[in-house]
Amino acid sequence: NAGVTQTPKFQVLKTGQSMTLQCAQDMNHNSMYWYRQDPGMGLRLIYYSASEGTTDKGEVPNGYNVSRLNKREFSLRLESAAPSQTSVYFCASRPGPGLYEQYFGPGTRLTVT
Amino acid sequence: GQQLNQSPQSMFIQEGEDVSMNCTSSSIFNTWLWYKQDPGEGPVLLIALYKAGELTSNGRLTAQFGITRKDSFLNISASIPSDVGIYFCAGQRGAQKLVFGQGTRLTINP
Repeated sequence: NAGVTQTPKFQVLKTGQSMTLQCAQDMNHNSMYWYRQDPGMGLRLIYYSASEGTTDKGEVPNGYNVSRLNKREFSLRLESAAPSQTSVYFCASRPGPGLYEQYFGPGTRLTVT
Repeated sequence: GQQLNQSPQSMFIQEGEDVSMNCTSSSIFNTWLWYKQDPGEGPVLLIALYKAGELTSNGRLTAQFGITRKDSFLNISASIPSDVGIYFCAGQRGAQKLVFGQGTRLTINP
């Protein structure tokens, strides 16, 4: 059981470039999440997917898009990267109704120059 | 919006000491979660609390769901070097979203 996996682990982009962060979970969880973590700001929710086929905005969705490809995979896309998107990005998953604990991946460290 | 106040922000202790930290909110939460994050890693779930007044242990860690449902506490007994890291609390009000505290950074002097 790998849990939640994320690729890549590190990425450097130039302003205006695009990229997709990949996330997969092998725990058969229903809900998946994307967070960003910045110094002094804690973890902030970007987008989430309550179940396969649905996605919703979180606290800081601007500049991002998501795709729930299937029950296992949830990707985060930056269409035109900006320096303000330099951050560490975490994917998480949650089992389902009645269980609220979220399980996190190892993170992607993104730098936009 | 909802906020969690986590304290202390940082702690410097001697190995073997006990540690206490807490989270408070102006809002009621139905679930409290405690996570630990090591440098360069994702948060790892330590304890989940689902009932007001609940006291749950995980090895040397003990967490409590405050009776008012607006706070939670985490204690670590007999600290060891691998306890170093950042501890986060998180509250859930029943929808999809967790609200996270700012974290308590624990440093241990051997």
